Parts: sequence; structure tokens; C-alpha cells
Amino acid sequence: EAQVTQNPRYLITVTGKKLTVTCSQNMNHEYMSWYRQDPGLGLRQIYYSMNVEVTDKGDVPEGYKVSRKEKRNFPLILESPSPNQTSLYFCASSPLTGTGNTEAFFGQGTRLTVV
Amino acid sequence: GIQVEQSPPDLILQEGANSTLRCNFSDSVNNLQWFHQNPWGQLINLFYIPSGTKQNGRLSATTVATERYSLLYISSSQTTDSGVYFCALHVRFGAGTRLTVKP
Repeated sequence: EAQVTQNPRYLITVTGKKLTVTCSQNMNHEYMSWYRQDPGLGLRQIYYSMNVEVTDKGDVPEGYKVSRKEKRNFPLILESPSPNQTSLYFCASSPLTGTGNTEAFFGQGTRLTVV
Repeated sequence: GIQVEQSPPDLILQEGANSTLRCNFSDSVNNLQWFHQNPWGQLINLFYIPSGTKQNGRLSATTVATERYSLLYISSSQTTDSGVYFCALHVRFGAGTRLTVKP
């Protein structure tokens, strides 16, 4: 089954404790990205990657890191989480064509709480 | 940057009613999508519709790329249709339409 898998689904952590949210896709998509969703602010892109070893900032990259060492995986790293990073996070992947990324597939979401 | 505007922001329906949700966008379209976010927060792909019309059961969508808008139609609404409906263009999401269907 074609899917994007995020882990964990729920996470409560303390300020400053490094964490990683994993994302894996089995569709051989070139494009992967991370979003956060906050009440009143909608979904905003954090980082994206157009292929292995190619990553770039989205709209709200501060406080986050990503890596793309393999095509299927795109982990989101919070080196020193703070309470303002409490949010619902989504990973997405899509194929790339000559006109850009096309149909996006989203993971199930990770609900992160930083206390 | 790309602007994606959805209307109405909120919609309350009685079960069985029909509705139309609108998405206006500011850029040329090659990857417009509609999503439903259920009460558990999951984003469900409804349609990938850069142009034309598609139907899936009680839902259908139309995108008129030359006029930069897309419509999502929900017919014979059910309580399980409740949630937030998003349209997205490239990486930009609209603010969503919150639909509540009452029994």
C-alpha cells in the first residue's frame, strides 16, 4: 500500500530535550516536506527536499533541522524544543515533474507537546 | 507569494443538504488538491484536480484554471462529512472551510 508513515503519532517532551520525528514514504517520490498546523494559522511549510541531499527552508524553518540521506526518509529534528513548537506536524511526499511537484500524499500527523 | 482563499470559512448544514465550497487562487495551477481533515486531525486526500471535473461518490470537484478557482460539491451531506476542508496549491494551503453537518 502506498503511504507516508510518521512516527511517533503522539509525543510529550520537555523543553530542551532533542527529538526526532521520522517520516518514510514507499512511493519513490522525489519531493518531501514538513508542515506544522496551528489554530488560526493553518498549515505552514517548515522545510522541503527535492531529492537526496537537497533540502531548503519553507516558511517557518526556525528551530528545526532536516536531513535527506535516503530518498524514502525525511526526518524532522528539533535540537532544543520549546513550548512554541507545540503543534500538529505533517510530513508529505509527491512526485516531481517538469512543472514542479504534483499530487501530495500526507502522513497521519504527529501531535507534539513541549512542556 | 501564492494566495489561496477559501469560502465560506464556516458552514452549518442539516443532514441531507447539498453544499458548495470555493477556493480562489492567485497563481497558475498544476497541482491543486482538496483535503478533508477529520476530527482526529488526519488529512484525507479528496481530489487532485489541476483542471476539469472529477467525481467520487457524493463528492465532486471542478477546477477552472483560466479563472483561477476550484469548487468542491458535497451532495446529500452526512454527519461524517463534518470537519475542515482545505484546498492547496503547490505548497500553499487555504485557511479551510469548517463544515458541521447536524443530524
